[in-house]
Amino acid sequence: LAKTTQPISMDSYEGQEVNITCSHNNIATNDYITWYQQFPSQGPRFIIQGYKTKVTNEVASLFIPADRKSSTLSLPRVSLSDTAVYYCLVHLMDTGRRALTFGSGTRLQVQP
Amino acid sequence: DAMVIQNPRYQVTQFGKPVTLSCSQTLNHNVMYWYQQKSSQAPKLLFHYYDKDFNNEADTPDNFQSRRPNTSFCFLDIRSPGLGDAAMYLCATSRTGPYNEQFFGPGTRLTVL
Repeated sequence: LAKTTQPISMDSYEGQEVNITCSHNNIATNDYITWYQQFPSQGPRFIIQGYKTKVTNEVASLFIPADRKSSTLSLPRVSLSDTAVYYCLVHLMDTGRRALTFGSGTRLQVQP
Repeated sequence: DAMVIQNPRYQVTQFGKPVTLSCSQTLNHNVMYWYQQKSSQAPKLLFHYYDKDFNNEADTPDNFQSRRPNTSFCFLDIRSPGLGDAAMYLCATSRTGPYNEQFFGPGTRLTVL
């Protein structure tokens, strides 16, 4: 069964860099990898998207190795307001069919 | 502000009583999605519309159906809700395909009594 896997939770302190990895062995070719942030009782919010190598925007960086079987979201200098659940979103190949699939999610807790 | 709106935010229904959840968007996006999110789990795609083209996920139960009468509105119909259908239902839109950034509504929390 194709799936994506993330660490269940991570803890960090304000000002530190946080790296969250998503494994997606059965990723479909020619599709982007997208990361979302979700706060309680809200819909997910777009963070960053990439296809290969490295992408950076004003809030995060995304690292994607050449085989694209994983991706790493990097949050520089986190603050308390970054406490949330982070999901990767990819198309997986499952029994010959492309399935848009969220990762299992990583709950990030930022401490003062 | 352009946005994705879901009504109601909280919906209570009885076991087996049909229920409809609503989503509207002011973004004029071509694609609209419905996700189910159970407590402490990731959102799970139920189906999506690319314009008027309906795309059902392979494992979406027949109990769930959807309608998109126009670009702005999309509805999720649950024909006979069971206790296992209690969840947050999220509507999202994207300008074109699902590889584009998706904009999510705040969700409707469904309780089944």
